[in-house]
Amino acid sequence: SSELTQDPAVSVALGQTVRITCQGDSLRKYYASWYQQKPGQAPVLVIYGKNKASGIPDRFSGSSSGNTASLTITGAQAEDEGDYYCNSRDSSGDHVVFGGGTKVTVL
Amino acid sequence: QLVLQESGPGLVRPSETLSLTCTVSGASISRGNWYWGWIRQPPGKGLEWIGNIHSSGSTQYNTSLKSRVTISVDTSKNQFSLELSSVTAADTAVYYCARLVDILSTILFDFWGQGTLVTVSS
Repeated sequence: SSELTQDPAVSVALGQTVRITCQGDSLRKYYASWYQQKPGQAPVLVIYGKNKASGIPDRFSGSSSGNTASLTITGAQAEDEGDYYCNSRDSSGDHVVFGGGTKVTVL
Repeated sequence: QLVLQESGPGLVRPSETLSLTCTVSGASISRGNWYWGWIRQPPGKGLEWIGNIHSSGSTQYNTSLKSRVTISVDTSKNQFSLELSSVTAADTAVYYCARLVDILSTILFDFWGQGTLVTVSS
C-alpha cells in the first residue's frame, strides 16, 4: 500500500482541463513532485512543488492544499495521455513514496 | 546533459541475488548534494521506491525491502549499484536508476535511466 493516494484513472476531452490529485498526510509537510510515464518509457519529471520541470509545456501546473497535491493540465492534448505519478517523502520524512498512479485518457 | 544507464543480468534464479549497476555520465557522482536512487516497476503496476545513496555513502531504504537490499557507490567509476538478495517472482520488474534532488520540502527524481527488465525465473 502507498501513503500517497491517487485516483486510478481520469479522462478529459481534447482541449479541456483535467486535475489529478494526490492525497497523503505527508503532503501537509512536504510538496509533491509529478511524473508522466508513457508505455515502454521511463517516467519524466513534470512538476516539483509548484515548479515546472525544464521543457514542460505551460499547460501543466501544480498546486497544493492541506493533505492534497494537484496536477492540472489546462487544454489537454492528445500527447498528454499516459500514467501520472506523484511522489514525496513519507510522514516520517525518512523515506520516499510514490502514489499508485493515475491513467489519463484524452478523448 | 546527465545520462544514467542501468546494466546487469536480465534473468535471475529464485533465491539468488539480483545485481544491477547504474553508470552516470555528464556529471560527477561525488560532486553536488545529490542522492542516487533505485526505483522499480512490476509489469503493469506502479512505481516502487527501493532506496537511495549519497556520494558520502549514507543510504535510505524502503522499509519493506530493507532486509534484502544493499546500495553502494563507486565514485572512481562514477557508478552506483543495487543488490537485492533472496529474490522471488515478485521481484520481477523494470528497474530504474535515477538522480534524487532534495530541495528543503521537495524531493524529485530529475534524471532517469531507461530502465532494465529483470525477470526472476528458474
